[in-house]
Amino acid sequence: SQQGEEDPQALSIQEGENATMNCSYKTSINNLQWYRQNSGRGLVHLILIRSNEREKHSGRLRVTLDTSKKSSSLLITASRAADTASYFCATAIRPLAGNMLTFGGGTRLMVKP
Amino acid sequence: GAVVSQHPSRVICKSGTSVKIECRSLDFQATTMFWYRQFPKQSLMLMATSNEGSKATYEQGVEKDKFLINHASLTLSTLTVTSAHPEDSSFYICSATRTGQPQHFGDGTRLSIL
Repeated sequence: SQQGEEDPQALSIQEGENATMNCSYKTSINNLQWYRQNSGRGLVHLILIRSNEREKHSGRLRVTLDTSKKSSSLLITASRAADTASYFCATAIRPLAGNMLTFGGGTRLMVKP
Repeated sequence: GAVVSQHPSRVICKSGTSVKIECRSLDFQATTMFWYRQFPKQSLMLMATSNEGSKATYEQGVEKDKFLINHASLTLSTLTVTSAHPEDSSFYICSATRTGQPQHFGDGTRLSIL
């Protein structure tokens, strides 16, 4: 079953704008990961943030984690048309070794050129 | 980065046939592979967890006899949809992982049962 919800379900922005997606979850976690999925393709791992971390950066991506609120956000700065995809958060209750992920509902992002 | 190959990418077949989907980790030994199902515009739903050399662990509501999983080696897992029917039509995705690594996903298989 899904761990939580993502908000918004769909987001449409202009190229150059920032995109923020939020993820909420229900149980205690070891880490939270964000994935990207282009239409009809598999998932690409973007970034992992551990439960003892509050913020992480990778290129134009910024992820925050608030364990007290059981929520995370993914910010994509200076968006490009190529960022158009679905973005999913996934939580793991154990460290990486063979851990099972529970995915959120996803946010469909459309970046208009 | 790690590469996971999933084959076929698309299959269309008649109702009643069985379909086998392969998931291969090309450049690392995967101790665990996962199989997911995804409906249009929805999230991934875990079907089963497969560890090399042992029986797969199925999620609640997933029929073991319907979705046969074999993980015979550290680089290959297969999912066989037996006696497929139109309601089995979906997008199936595998992932592979090993100690200390995140899951690496295949490109998925779109299964259409007529």
